[in-house]
Order: sequence, then C-alpha cells, then structure tokens
Amino acid sequence: AQSVTQLDSHVSVSEGTPVLLRCNYSSSYSPSLFWYVQHPNKGLQLLLKYTSAATLVKGINGFEAEFKKSETSFHLTKPSAHMSDAAEYFCVVIPRGYQKVTFGTGTKLQVIP
Amino acid sequence: NAGVMQNPRHLVRRRGQEARLRCSPMKGHSHVYWYRQLPEEGLKFMVYLQKENIIDESGMPKERFSAEFPKEGPSILRIQQVVRGDSAAYFCASSPSGGSSTDTQYFGPGTRLTVL
Repeated sequence: AQSVTQLDSHVSVSEGTPVLLRCNYSSSYSPSLFWYVQHPNKGLQLLLKYTSAATLVKGINGFEAEFKKSETSFHLTKPSAHMSDAAEYFCVVIPRGYQKVTFGTGTKLQVIP
Repeated sequence: NAGVMQNPRHLVRRRGQEARLRCSPMKGHSHVYWYRQLPEEGLKFMVYLQKENIIDESGMPKERFSAEFPKEGPSILRIQQVVRGDSAAYFCASSPSGGSSTDTQYFGPGTRLTVL
C-alpha cells in the first residue's frame, strides 16, 4: 500500500522569499514521485518528477525537489516566490511497476506582496 | 500537439438525471485515468482504462458510475441518477502506451459537475 502526506494544508510566504512545501510518502515498492500544481479552476500541470535517476530534481518555474529515501520525503522548494506561484500543489506517488496513483491532500500556497 | 481535452467544461444536472463526461487523450496516448476532486479535497483515483479494457476500477463507486474507452472516440465517464454528492470536478489524465509508473500523466482541464 502507498500513502502521501502533505504536512501543511496552507503555506503563506512573502514575495521574494523561499518556498518549502513538505511531502512524506510511504510505498511498498520504490516509487516514482511527482509534484503537480493547480491554479484556481484550472487543470493540473506537472512541475517535476523523480523516477530513480538523480535525487535532486529540477522542474519548471524554478522549482526543485529532493528525494530522500532515508526520510521518505520529497519536499518541493523554490528560492524566491513569485506572485504567480500562488496555487495549490499536490504531491503524488506511484509505486514502481504499477500505475495506481495516490495524491496528497494538497498544499495551498499564498504569496503576499 | 493538443493536450488532453475534456468536455464539457461545466455541466449542470438535476438530481436523477444522467451525466456524461468525455475525455480525449493526447495523441499517441492509449492509457486514460479518471479522478474526482471534491471541494477542498485532493484528487481521488477512480478508474484506469486502456483501449476497450478497464484495467483498474477500484476507485469507482459500486453503483451508478461506469467508464469506457472504446476503440474509436473519447473515453466516457457516465454517472446515472446523479445526486448532490456527485457535484465535483472530474479530471481525466492520459499517459503513453506502456503504462509504466515512470510515465507522466497529463491532465485535462476538468469537468465541473454541479447537481441541483
């Protein structure tokens, strides 16, 4: 069985300051991990994914995430928040060899001018 | 290359009516997934289909819900006798052939169903 825990339902940062969105997972098999972003009333857009290559993954719009197996974490970071980053972010796990997807409950990011 | 397309984008139904949601995967993708997002909640997996086959429907409610992905045409998610609790955003995603866990799922814009 697999699960995803997004530790914060809401995160608020000031524009220009770093962003940290936390995600912990559990999976019976080595997983693939993804971060998606959803802007209000829009579909989901892939930010980045980890599939067992480099543990530090760079994505679009300056986001990156580090896979830490010992901590079962895949936290999403960005050095400097932009107003356009305000959205909801979902951490996703897919166990290796299978396609069943488990979504986290989401983290809403607010960026304060 | 057009992305995943869903229609309608918004659908209003009265209790007891049927809702049909359509999803056209990206060109070259033969795997389709349906998810439901209830207000203030994350996405929940409903069903995974390949052409003419249901691979995993473990997330589908046992009654009133069905899905298909015919050889020709879009995938259809059908909800019979809708109730207010069916009001949600329904997202479709597609991935390339192979169905590997490393394949990225590309999401459509969703259909927002409102049941009056």
